Amino acid sequence: QKEVEQNSGPLSVPEGAIASLNCTYSDRGSQSFFWYRQYSGKSPELIMFIYSNGDKEDGRFTAQLNKASQYVSLLIRDSQPSDSATYLCAGDQTGANNLFFGTGTRLTVIP
Amino acid sequence: DADVTQTPRNRITKTGKRIMLECSQTKGHDRMYWYRQDPGLGLRLIYYSFDVKDINKGEISDGYSVSRQAQAKFSLSLESAIPNQTALYFCATSDRVDGTDTQYFGPGTRLTVL
Repeated sequence: QKEVEQNSGPLSVPEGAIASLNCTYSDRGSQSFFWYRQYSGKSPELIMFIYSNGDKEDGRFTAQLNKASQYVSLLIRDSQPSDSATYLCAGDQTGANNLFFGTGTRLTVIP
Repeated sequence: DADVTQTPRNRITKTGKRIMLECSQTKGHDRMYWYRQDPGLGLRLIYYSFDVKDINKGEISDGYSVSRQAQAKFSLSLESAIPNQTALYFCATSDRVDGTDTQYFGPGTRLTVL
């Protein structure tokens, strides 16, 4: 079982819509979760991280964490074509000193 | 200037050759990482280092070695390159703050082994 799993997509949404990206994790001891955006051929860029249950908002982005359900999500409001990218979810692991990444969800925002 | 740099950015080599990928950072972070990324497999950790004297194997270290020459420099070597090491390689750095490690990635090196 993978430590962090994401729907591989692809996910397509029209411009201006809300894009919802989801991630589940297997280690109940995981504390911190990260969302990265990666454009094709480029390096991952940090969008935000979350470690408390509930919602965390940063501009058009909202991360949601539900530790009881072992579920992390990223909402992108007012999606723009420039949001078209692959989104990577990552989480830490109990007793480990590094992050484990999901395989990513490819998002396309259609103008 | 970029905080995390990688050289070379692209490299084509032949099976059996030894190559080195280099990573430098100006972020002042103690922790550095090497990942490879393959389509459909995501990012996989090769090696990581928490300081100059602390180097650890990651998920897929076989066929690779590393050297932490200084706090700011972390090199990845392929002693005898093989075609299935063709991938996109990323270096990352992090600093542990309030129990959270946030990783920042370099621009990547695209390696092709023929």
